[in-house]
Amino acid sequence: EVQLVESGGGLVQPGGSLRLSCEASGITFSNYWMAWVRQAPGKGLEWVANIKSDGSAKNHMDSLKGRFSISRDNAKNSLYLQMSNLRAEDTAVYYCVRHGYYNFDYWGQGTLVTVSS
Amino acid sequence: QSALTQPPSASGSPGQSVTISCTGTSSDVGAYNYVSWYQHHPGKAPKFMIYEVSKRPSGVPDRFSGSKSGNTASLTVSGLQAEDEADYYCSSFAGGHIQWVFGGGTKLTVL
Repeated sequence: EVQLVESGGGLVQPGGSLRLSCEASGITFSNYWMAWVRQAPGKGLEWVANIKSDGSAKNHMDSLKGRFSISRDNAKNSLYLQMSNLRAEDTAVYYCVRHGYYNFDYWGQGTLVTVSS
Repeated sequence: QSALTQPPSASGSPGQSVTISCTGTSSDVGAYNYVSWYQHHPGKAPKFMIYEVSKRPSGVPDRFSGSKSGNTASLTVSGLQAEDEADYYCSSFAGGHIQWVFGGGTKLTVL
């Protein structure tokens, strides 16, 4: 059974930083592209970033303007999202997602990030 | 505002059919046959329901079907069941720097 378990969310002040983690099990993690997708309260889903299976290629949402960085450690079956200079509009549930072929085939349950003073 | 436009709500009685639309542009939905749909029961992990416009992953009932015409994709749920009540999101590959776009979601209510 594929399991993606996110952690690291919480309350952070504007301008602060946070690192999200996602531990994968039930898959050969190193074979797959992975992604982060977020959902702000009352809003739709929003793609944040993705990373190639070996970590050699990454894509981030343009509007993040370099504040977020996706990475992975295949030896630990783990995906990460380093978030800095956080803003209120970054408040969302962040989902760890496995890329299928041009789709997102497995999702974690998400971790809530709240940016507030 | 989401990149893809979905109606905020849809409803139907058990056994009926409901269709949810997903409108994008010639740069995403219209350009690629990489439209997918996701079912989300709040508090749970979203579930992958349709890929490449109309294909169903293993385990998804054939009551769920997808189609596309121009810049608009659609998800049809036939033979509505109580457990189909959920939020549904569409997504499309958009290429370039944008990569992936999602819809704002449609809350499906089974009356």
